[in-house]
Amino acid sequence: ETGVTQTPRHLVMGMTNKKSLKCEQHLGHNAMYWYKQSAKKPLELMFVYNFKEQTENNSVPSRFSPECPNSSHLFLHLHTLQPEDSALYLCASGFRVGSGNTIYFGEGSWLTVV
Amino acid sequence: AQSVTQLGSHVSVSEGALVLLRCNYSSSVPPYLFWYVQYPNQGLQLLLKYTSAATLVKGINGFEAEFKKSETSFHLTKPSAHMSDAAEYFCAGGFGNEKLTFGTGTRLTIIP
Repeated sequence: ETGVTQTPRHLVMGMTNKKSLKCEQHLGHNAMYWYKQSAKKPLELMFVYNFKEQTENNSVPSRFSPECPNSSHLFLHLHTLQPEDSALYLCASGFRVGSGNTIYFGEGSWLTVV
Repeated sequence: AQSVTQLGSHVSVSEGALVLLRCNYSSSVPPYLFWYVQYPNQGLQLLLKYTSAATLVKGINGFEAEFKKSETSFHLTKPSAHMSDAAEYFCAGGFGNEKLTFGTGTRLTIIP
């Protein structure tokens, strides 16, 4: 069982590029999440999907565009990013959305914007 | 407002010594509380979870945490530190809405 798998693990992109991060979970979960982890900042929740429907957008700039085609896959489309967007992007999944439910993280995608 | 506070962004202990990482919460509803660990260049891994079934929760790798409502605390302990415990530890709380609220993390260093 590989749990939550994220690709690519490392990505360097220019400010005018368009790229995507991919997340796949093999745990049979119905909720999926994107988090951003920057140095010296708390973990920031970006998006929440429950049964493929977006249930939370935590005031994320439109240059980040999530896509959840099914309960097993989650994408984060990136375009015209800024250097301050460089961070570790973590995908997570859980059985369902709710405060008592454990979420399981992938290993993250390191993004560097140059 | 609900919140999670981790006291001490860096903690150093000698190998074999007690590990104590502090977490306090603020919540108007009964919380769910979690500890996660992040090893270098990896994602977060669940250590343990409190769900009100028992106040003392045992987790993986010899860690445990005790929920104390009177102190609004959920401190993480391990009796004897091992070099492999060096990592960043995150306390998180679920307070009745969709998302977990994470603390800012505590980096644990083990001194040989």
